[in-house]
Amino acid sequence: QKEVEQNSGPLSVPEGAIASLNCTYSDRGSQSFFWYRQYSGKSPELIMSIYSNGDKEDGRFTAQLNKASQYVSLLIRDSQPSDSATYLCAVRPNVWEYGNKLVFGAGTILRVKS
Amino acid sequence: DAGVTQSPTHLIKTRGQQVTLRCSPKSGHDTVSWYQQALGQGPQFIFQYYEEEERQRGNFPDRFSGHQFPNYSSELNVNALLLGDSALYLCASSQRLGRSPYEQYFGPGTRLTVT
Repeated sequence: QKEVEQNSGPLSVPEGAIASLNCTYSDRGSQSFFWYRQYSGKSPELIMSIYSNGDKEDGRFTAQLNKASQYVSLLIRDSQPSDSATYLCAVRPNVWEYGNKLVFGAGTILRVKS
Repeated sequence: DAGVTQSPTHLIKTRGQQVTLRCSPKSGHDTVSWYQQALGQGPQFIFQYYEEEERQRGNFPDRFSGHQFPNYSSELNVNALLLGDSALYLCASSQRLGRSPYEQYFGPGTRLTVT
């Protein structure tokens, strides 16, 4: 079982719709969760971090965390063609270990069609 | 506010050679992590440096080594290059005792091609 799993996609949504991206993780001790956006040929850009169960909203982005189900999601409202990118879910496993390495999923490709 | 910088941008090396990649963290950050990203995959953690010491290491062979300098900048060295080392090498910086110690910010990366 991979530590962090994402559907590779591509996920295609029409412009203006809500895009829903999902991620599951295997380490129950994980406490910190992140979403990165990566445009083709570029490096990952941090867009959301979430540490507590529930929802966290930032502009058009909402991150949702359910630790009992070991599930993290990212909702993008009013999707724009400029949102087309690969979205990487990252988890900081094992809060008791020194250091803060991140474990990444393979990413979900999002395509927003105008 | 200067972001994370990396050099060089691109590099082509021959199998068996050695390479050094460089990273300067974001202003105010003291921790540097290195990741390898193969095409179509998520970044894989190589190691992390804080206070000039390697603090955490991923599943990479000893051919991968690093260093952190007093000004927090860092180098990644790879010896005896293999074709499989071709990838995007990413440096990420964070602030260990800051408000958001676990948030990591990536540099633009170095694209390494081994022929």
